[in-house]
Amino acid sequence: DAGVIQSPRHEVTEMGQEVTLRCKPISGHNSLFWYRQTMMRGLELLIYFNNNVPIDDSGMPEDRFSAKMPNASFSTLKIQPSEPRDSAVYFCASSRGTGGGNQPQHFGDGTRLSIL
Amino acid sequence: DQQVKQNSPSLSVQEGRISILNCDYTNSMFDYFLWYKKYPAEGPTFLISISSIKDKNEDGRFTVFLNKSAKHLSLHIMPSQPGDSAVYFCAASAPQAGTALIFGKGTTLSVSS
Repeated sequence: DAGVIQSPRHEVTEMGQEVTLRCKPISGHNSLFWYRQTMMRGLELLIYFNNNVPIDDSGMPEDRFSAKMPNASFSTLKIQPSEPRDSAVYFCASSRGTGGGNQPQHFGDGTRLSIL
Repeated sequence: DQQVKQNSPSLSVQEGRISILNCDYTNSMFDYFLWYKKYPAEGPTFLISISSIKDKNEDGRFTVFLNKSAKHLSLHIMPSQPGDSAVYFCAASAPQAGTALIFGKGTTLSVSS
């Protein structure tokens, strides 16, 4: 089975540009999560979807960040306009159910984002 | 306020010895605890979990212990192998509270041969 697929793997862009990160979850998983990893804050949840509906977006840092899940096999995380402090590794994960402890989340390999 | 804490950023162990990684938590509503392993340039991969109704769970070389009164859990790797060198994340969930996983900041394990 294919795992969670994220694209691009690396993104380097200039401040002010729009950035779109993409994620394809594992087929059959109905929960999808976006995380951001930084040295200072570790791995923090940005938003998660259940059955394509956003359930908790309290981790989204500000209005420049938005996420969509138009169908069960695709999600995007968009930053507009991007800022240098957005530089981080962004992970997408998916799971069955609600992604609680008895339904482990499966992670993609991440997108390393650098904003110059 | 960190609800899941891994106070040791790094740990070095010799091959064949036991590795013990520790994790503390503050939220008594957590009912599942998980450990993930992460290699460079890859995403975290699920390793082992434990329900709050248990105090021990074992899977091959990996054992997780839970001490609810102390709000503490630990991951034991025995025997340690060089391929175990990675960052280990402790995570917790409280599904009844509608919370997804909350991760600690990780501990980097180095196993030397």
